Amino acid sequence: QSVLTQPPSASGTPGQRVTISCSGSSSNIGSNTVNWYQQLPGTAPKLLIYSNNQRPSGVPDRFSGSKSGTSASLAISGLQSEDEADYYCAAWDDSLNGSWVFGGGTKLTVL
Amino acid sequence: QVQLVQSGAEVKKPGASVKVSCKASGYTFTSYYMHWVRQAPGQGLEWMGIINPSGGSTSYAQKFQGRVTMTRDTSTSTVYMELSSLRSEDTAVYYCAREVSPRDAFDIWGQGTMVTVSS
Repeated sequence: QSVLTQPPSASGTPGQRVTISCSGSSSNIGSNTVNWYQQLPGTAPKLLIYSNNQRPSGVPDRFSGSKSGTSASLAISGLQSEDEADYYCAAWDDSLNGSWVFGGGTKLTVL
Repeated sequence: QVQLVQSGAEVKKPGASVKVSCKASGYTFTSYYMHWVRQAPGQGLEWMGIINPSGGSTSYAQKFQGRVTMTRDTSTSTVYMELSSLRSEDTAVYYCAREVSPRDAFDIWGQGTMVTVSS
């Protein structure tokens, strides 16, 4: 059971806009920034969004992130076939001794 | 270019230990924290702990306390993760990942090391 909650799946057709949600609590998303990772099949995760809404160099502006209270979301506009992947949200959790926590992942299918 | 290269796949018996390495290149090794994250087959990501390559200090996830040890060798820019008392549930891909500053983000990941625990 993951600390952050994501829908297990999402889908869209090419060109569409899709959003993936990530729900947490006051000890993680509520008090720390959220990062998003993209994992293509058979590869290591790749940083997609950091500090809630910042894109690393090289990440297309089709990808955007937002955060409100104890929830965050990732939006992908102009969906492309190469966006088919697993997406994970992550945040630092202040409880106990502190740790990084992840969502269970959302598998995005481009129909 | 900046990269993290991990050691190869391992097969271990229950109760044994495994030590995975992660060699950094293309940047100043001691300027970035290093984390270990694992992923069981078909499952999500799980954080294991962090090491500061500069001083060697570590912090481990509560779940792995007492079973995991993270070390580094500054002469070869390599960090190591050793997991002991292996059980079948430890079968997973183990990743090292670089972090710029505390509570920041993991900007560079290793390619992953598959560890299989089977009798």
